[in-house]
Amino acid sequence: DAKTTQPPSMDCAEGRAANLPCNHSTISGNEYVYWYRQIHSQGPQYIIHGLKNNETNEMASLIITEDRKSSTLILPHATLRDTAVYYCTSYKYIFGTGTRLKVLA
Amino acid sequence: SAVISQKPSRDICQRGTSLTIQCQVDSQVTMMFWYRQQPGQSLTLIATANQGSEATYESGFVIDKFPISRPNLTFSTLTVSNMSPEDSSIYLCSVERPGQGATGELFFGEGSRLTVL
Repeated sequence: DAKTTQPPSMDCAEGRAANLPCNHSTISGNEYVYWYRQIHSQGPQYIIHGLKNNETNEMASLIITEDRKSSTLILPHATLRDTAVYYCTSYKYIFGTGTRLKVLA
Repeated sequence: SAVISQKPSRDICQRGTSLTIQCQVDSQVTMMFWYRQQPGQSLTLIATANQGSEATYESGFVIDKFPISRPNLTFSTLTVSNMSPEDSSIYLCSVERPGQGATGELFFGEGSRLTVL
């Protein structure tokens, strides 16, 4: 199973961009990278996913390196409501330990 | 997307009893997934449930402890049997986004928070 590595925690100032990294060096060529977040006491929420190209939606942008061994989720203007645990997965049913993002006022 | 409803949202149970968690989806889906999230931990996949066949369990999870039913394409149940305090967790139901062009993104219910005394 492909595995991911994320920093356990990060802080970000409100209104600034939050850049959350993920290492997925064992990813297979046909595996997507998925990002989810979990706000306290809620079910995880899908954010974005990608295969090779960078992706953007109304929630975030996803930058995938050319070798596909790592990616970065970008929240362009973080708000207090973005405080959550962010999970990156490259094997779609298996979740790693995630990054606890705290957005500071 | 898919809207997933789970019941109960929370429960407090006595040691040695069993509890069945229900998961209802607003779309027909092939696979449904059950996860466990222990306090302060990430999600751990328990099993994958396909309609009309036995669920497939991940390492460390067995059917006798976590029997699963999948009677149709919109519904599944997970039973936590002979509970102990170590079973206190949030149990989450999940499905892949249905429809053509879907590429595996998951949608989750709000979870069932189980406390075993």
